[in-house]
Amino acid sequence: AQSVTQLDSHVSVSEGTPVLLRCNYSSSYSPSLFWYVQHPNKGLQLLLKYTSAATLVKGINGFEAEFKKSETSFHLTKPSAHMSDAAEYFCVGGGGADGLTFGKGTHLIIQP
Amino acid sequence: EAQVTQNPRYLITVTGKKLTVTCSQNMNHEYMSWYRQDPGLGLRQIYYSMNVEVTDKGDVPEGYKVSRKEKRNFPLILESPSPNQTSLYFCASSRGGATIDSPLHFGNGTRLTVT
Repeated sequence: AQSVTQLDSHVSVSEGTPVLLRCNYSSSYSPSLFWYVQHPNKGLQLLLKYTSAATLVKGINGFEAEFKKSETSFHLTKPSAHMSDAAEYFCVGGGGADGLTFGKGTHLIIQP
Repeated sequence: EAQVTQNPRYLITVTGKKLTVTCSQNMNHEYMSWYRQDPGLGLRQIYYSMNVEVTDKGDVPEGYKVSRKEKRNFPLILESPSPNQTSLYFCASSRGGATIDSPLHFGNGTRLTVT
């Protein structure tokens, strides 16, 4: 069985400051992990995916995520927030025959 | 342009009146899936299809039907809608099973209100 937990339902940062969106997972095997972003009135768009080739994964729009097996975490970061980053972010685990497990989402608010 | 197209974007209906939400993809993807998104619950899978004429229940299939007669289309059918089906619905597709090598492509959503 697999579960994905996003630790914050809302995160608010000032423009130009770092972003940290937290995600923990539990899995009985090596997980497949993704981060998706959802802008208002839009579908979800893939930000990045963990492929097990590297623990630090780079995605689009300057986002990165680091897979830490010891902490069962896959936190999403960005060095400097931009107003256009305001959106809902989903951590997602699994895939293939087991299907996907979505976190409940983190709403990112960017203060000017 | 590669895309997943859902129609309609917005739909208001009354309890018991059958409705269909269409989903079409132009990427020749084998895998298609329907999700509903509700506040505080994230996305939950309703039904999915691994290929033509192959459909399976997701986590919340009650009150929904699907069909996959053609590869590109995967309509969601509510035979007798009820207010608890008021939600935001997303269709998604991928080359195969939403794996690491074939992540999901999402439509823009259908906001359904059942009164």
